Amino acid sequence: DIQMTQSPSSLSASVGDRVTITCRASQSISSYLTWYQQKPGKAPKLLIYAASNLESGVPSRFSGSGSGTEFTLTISSLQPEDFAGYHCQQSYSTPYTFGQGTKLEIK
Amino acid sequence: EVQLVQSGAEVKKPGESLKISCKVSGYSFTSYWIGWVRQMPGKGLEWMGIIYPGDSDTRYSPSFQGQVTISADKSSSTAYLQWSSLKASDTAMYYCARWYQGGGWYFDYWGQGTLVTVSS
Repeated sequence: DIQMTQSPSSLSASVGDRVTITCRASQSISSYLTWYQQKPGKAPKLLIYAASNLESGVPSRFSGSGSGTEFTLTISSLQPEDFAGYHCQQSYSTPYTFGQGTKLEIK
Repeated sequence: EVQLVQSGAEVKKPGESLKISCKVSGYSFTSYWIGWVRQMPGKGLEWMGIIYPGDSDTRYSPSFQGQVTISADKSSSTAYLQWSSLKASDTAMYYCARWYQGGGWYFDYWGQGTLVTVSS
C-alpha cells in the first residue's frame, strides 16, 4: 500500500494568515492527489483534485501544488470558515489511501 | 442535483449483522463507481472499497477484504455496506461517496454519513 503522511497533524493559525499543509507519498503517485476539507460533524468536501485543480465553487484562496511524492495545500488568507480538518488522498493505486489528516485550529 | 442519502444511525451488539445503505439520485447510478469510507472516532479517513453498479465490479482494500461486503441494487439506485458479525472495533462513522474520474480519480459527492455503534 502507498502510505500518505500529512504534516503537521495540527496547526494553530489566525484569520488572515497564510498556511501550508504538506502531504508526502511513500512512492511516486504522479499527480493523483486529492485534498478534502472536513468540518466537525460533517462529511468531507472536495477541494482540489489532480494535485492542483480547484473544484468548482471552492474559493481561490485555496491552491494545491506538487507531483511525485510531495504535495502542498495552501490557504492564502485564512477565513473563519476555513478552520476545519484537511485530508489528502492518493488515487494512483489501490487501496486509495488517505493521509492521517490535519486539524487547522484558531490561534 | 446529485444526492447520496445514507440510512440512519445504528446501535448493535457484537456478533450481530448489519447492512447500511446509500441511496443515490441526480445522476445515472450505473455509470459511476461508489465507494465507502470509514472514520473511527477522532481519527482520519480510511478507504474501504468501491463498486461499479453497472456490472457489480467491486474492489476492496486489503484491510477490509473479508470483513465487509459492498453491494449495489440497480433497481433502487442504492449501494450497501454490510457486516455478518460486528465487532466493537467497527464502531465508526461510515460515508458513501461517488468515485469520479475527472483528470484523476476522487470522491466528488458524499453522503451525510451513518454512525455505527457496536457495544455490548
